[in-house]
Order: sequence, then structure tokens, then C-alpha cells
Amino acid sequence: GENVEQHPSTLSVQEGDSAVIKCTYSDSASNYFPWYKQELGKGPQLIIDIRSNVGEKKDQRIAVTLNKTAKHFSLHITETQPEDSAVYFCAASMRDTGRRALTFGSGTRLQVQP
Amino acid sequence: NAGVTQTPKFRVLKTGQSMTLLCAQDMNHEYMYWYRQDPGMGLRLIHYSVGEGTTAKGEVPDGYNVSRLKKQNFLLGLESAAPSQTSVYFCASSPHGGIGTGELFFGEGSRLTVL
Repeated sequence: GENVEQHPSTLSVQEGDSAVIKCTYSDSASNYFPWYKQELGKGPQLIIDIRSNVGEKKDQRIAVTLNKTAKHFSLHITETQPEDSAVYFCAASMRDTGRRALTFGSGTRLQVQP
Repeated sequence: NAGVTQTPKFRVLKTGQSMTLLCAQDMNHEYMYWYRQDPGMGLRLIHYSVGEGTTAKGEVPDGYNVSRLKKQNFLLGLESAAPSQTSVYFCASSPHGGIGTGELFFGEGSRLTVL
């Protein structure tokens, strides 16, 4: 089955700096790579996703890049703000299967220092 | 605007006791999932359902059972709780395959402690 590794496990940045979280996956058949943000006491919430036919996707201060050859993808947050502090999870799946079950990474706790 | 609702939110059990976690969604989603979240291990899939009356095993199904008698509800049962089942449990739902964005909608979690 799919295995997703995520680094780093914790990340502390100053407000206004950029943050980068990296993930690798094992199954070359995976073609859907979402990122979820989990705030304290809440369930994870989708913030951005990318499909394997796209190398990069951007949504305001958040961007995701995908390298299918190397089987890794990254989340980039620019101009970080205190409200970006949360746990971030990457995930991978074969999007067009009936199951649509995600395999998650182990999470990155991002702390943005004011 | 309820989305996905989990009950109870907190529960403490003794080893060997049984309990059921209830998940209810009001978005008419076909797919429902149960994940467990443990420190340093992310979210791991326990069981899932692709429609009313169907269930299937995920990555870590041992010690759990599930039922999907109604489309909007997905129940997770522990027949004989063990300390290794101490975790935070998340239910999620998503639209049928081919429709929507593929997004999973999560509940707020149920924290279970087994003594």
C-alpha cells in the first residue's frame, strides 16, 4: 500500500517568513495530493490539493509543488501569520478510484511566532 | 450547517468494556470513513463505507467493527476495549466518486481513553 513520509515534524518561523513542509510517497499510481490543516481541537480541513497532471498550484499565500519523478510534493506558505499556526498533514491517494481513501503523513506542527 | 457530527466527544473506558461512536453527516455524502489519530503517526484509516449497507476494512481494522445502516450514519464499535485503542477518532465523509473535489469533510473528533 501507499506510504507517505512528512518532514519536519515541527517547524517554528517568525511572522512574515515563509514555511515549507515536504512529503514523499511510495506508490507511483497515486495521483491526488491534498493538504489538510488541523487547528487545536478541530478536525482536519482541506486547504489545497494538486493532481498529478499539474506541477504547481497556488492559492493566495499557499502553494503546492509536485515532482512525480521523484515522488515528492511540498507545501509553501508565504508571509506567515499567527493564524497559520496549526498541524498540517499531507496525503496521497488514487483520486479516481471508488474508494477514495487517503493515506496521510505524520503531520507537521507549525508555530508562527509574532 | 452541521456537516459531520461525532458523539460522544470524550469517553473513558476500562479495559474490556464496549462502546459505540456515532458519526452523522447531513451532506448526503456516499462515502464515510473512520480514522484514528495518534501522536507522530498522522491519521490511519480504520474502516470505510462506499454507501449505505456497505463497509470495508482500512489500514488498522483489528478490534473495531462498523455499520452503515443509514446513509447519513456510520457507527464505530469497540467490542472489548484495550489500552492500545486510546486515541482520537475522526469520522469523515465525501461525495460519490466522480462528483465533487475529492475533499474529505471531518468531524471534530472523539477522544477515547482506555484504562
